[in-house]
Amino acid sequence: TQLLEQSPQFLSIQEGENLTVYCNSSSVFSSLQWYRQEPGEGPVLLVTVVTGGEVKKLKRLTFQFGDARKDSSLHITAAQPGDTGLYLCAGADRGSTLGRLYFGRGTQLTVWP
Amino acid sequence: GAGVSQTPSNKVTEKGKYVELRCDPISGHTALYWYRQSLGQGPEFLIYFQGTGAADDSGLPNDRFFAVRPEGSVSTLKIQRTERGDSAVYLCASSPLAGAMRGLYNEQFFGPGTRLTVL
Repeated sequence: TQLLEQSPQFLSIQEGENLTVYCNSSSVFSSLQWYRQEPGEGPVLLVTVVTGGEVKKLKRLTFQFGDARKDSSLHITAAQPGDTGLYLCAGADRGSTLGRLYFGRGTQLTVWP
Repeated sequence: GAGVSQTPSNKVTEKGKYVELRCDPISGHTALYWYRQSLGQGPEFLIYFQGTGAADDSGLPNDRFFAVRPEGSVSTLKIQRTERGDSAVYLCASSPLAGAMRGLYNEQFFGPGTRLTVL
């Protein structure tokens, strides 16, 4: 059973389109992270959100943490082929600054030129 | 390089054999994690070290799996009597304690993984 549910599982779009990926849970997390993973490599951290309602922007990527700290979303504006990859959300136990992360299954994004 | 390194990158073994997977964390990182990632899945937690000791080994699936970090740096994941279901990519990550103290929650830096195939 996945603690974090990501949707959609697969997303195939044309360059220039916008998209949103969702990460939902019934559990509360002390922080939530988004990673991007390419084939044959480990996940690379994109952002960490900590405060309920927090919004962080990283160039064309906008990350939001739900008010109750149970869910998050990733919005990409004007997607580019270089955005192609597996996007993973991961939550940390409440009150923990170290320790295990709970990962979602990921959203495989393909951006066509 | 300055990143997390893992060896070997690929390991093919036969059912019933013993394997060891090695992880070299980023220098100075006190926390080290092992995860397992099956095809089409996100990483699944196995074990977490703080220094030399295992702070949380609740993710190890059974007693065939064991991990050590004797000097608080390099770690080895050991799998006895391998089974076909053990086939996966084994990922290692490390975190700086200093980062956690600055409120940089659980920032984990991952290695490229070891792809284990059990025939």
